[in-house]
Amino acid sequence: DTGVSQDPRHKITKRGQNVTFRCDPISEHNRLYWYRQTLGQGPEFLTYFQNEAQLEKSRLLSDRFSAERPKGSFSTLEIQRTEQGDSAMYLCASSPALAGAKDTQYFGPGTRLTVL
Amino acid sequence: GDSVTQMEGPVTLSEEAFLTINCTYTATGYPSLFWYVQYPGEGLQLLLKATKADDKGSNKGFEATYRKETTSFHLEKGSVQVSDSAVYFCALSDPGSARQLTFGSGTQLTVLP
Repeated sequence: DTGVSQDPRHKITKRGQNVTFRCDPISEHNRLYWYRQTLGQGPEFLTYFQNEAQLEKSRLLSDRFSAERPKGSFSTLEIQRTEQGDSAMYLCASSPALAGAKDTQYFGPGTRLTVL
Repeated sequence: GDSVTQMEGPVTLSEEAFLTINCTYTATGYPSLFWYVQYPGEGLQLLLKATKADDKGSNKGFEATYRKETTSFHLEKGSVQVSDSAVYFCALSDPGSARQLTFGSGTQLTVLP
């Protein structure tokens, strides 16, 4: 069990540029989540995948944000035309589908985005 | 919608002191409740969980009991160590199909030697 990994760990970009983050969940976890965490706050839910299907999206996920999980394994989160307000830590989590365990989410180290 | 309210920090304690971090929640269904911990420079780690009323979660000397009547899930530890210094987050999971987590704002704990 290698844990959830995220890449890159840090990203600095200029306003208006596009950025893409990658998440590799724990193998065999078919549920994958993206959250955003700003300084001094708890993480906020963005979107959820079960296998390759994106089943839920938060109102926080504006049309500049898109997430994919093409083969039901790794996932990408893209932000187009970044704004300074997008500066945050982007967290990925995964969980198994087992009835007694699917509540438990395991988090990656996050990608810290800074938009200048 | 669902929400979690945590005791505001920062909290500063001396080593071996008793710790309580208060957490209350609002939910329409019967959520599972969690405490996550974030050590400096690291990702969120699950500390403990409870899935139904009166369940007690425990790990590494920390405990929390799911109290449905008071909608609370307070975190306690009898004797804190310097290594417990971290940010602690209370969270609940949506009882719907997505099971996404709703977090409190976090409580920064500093333990002094």
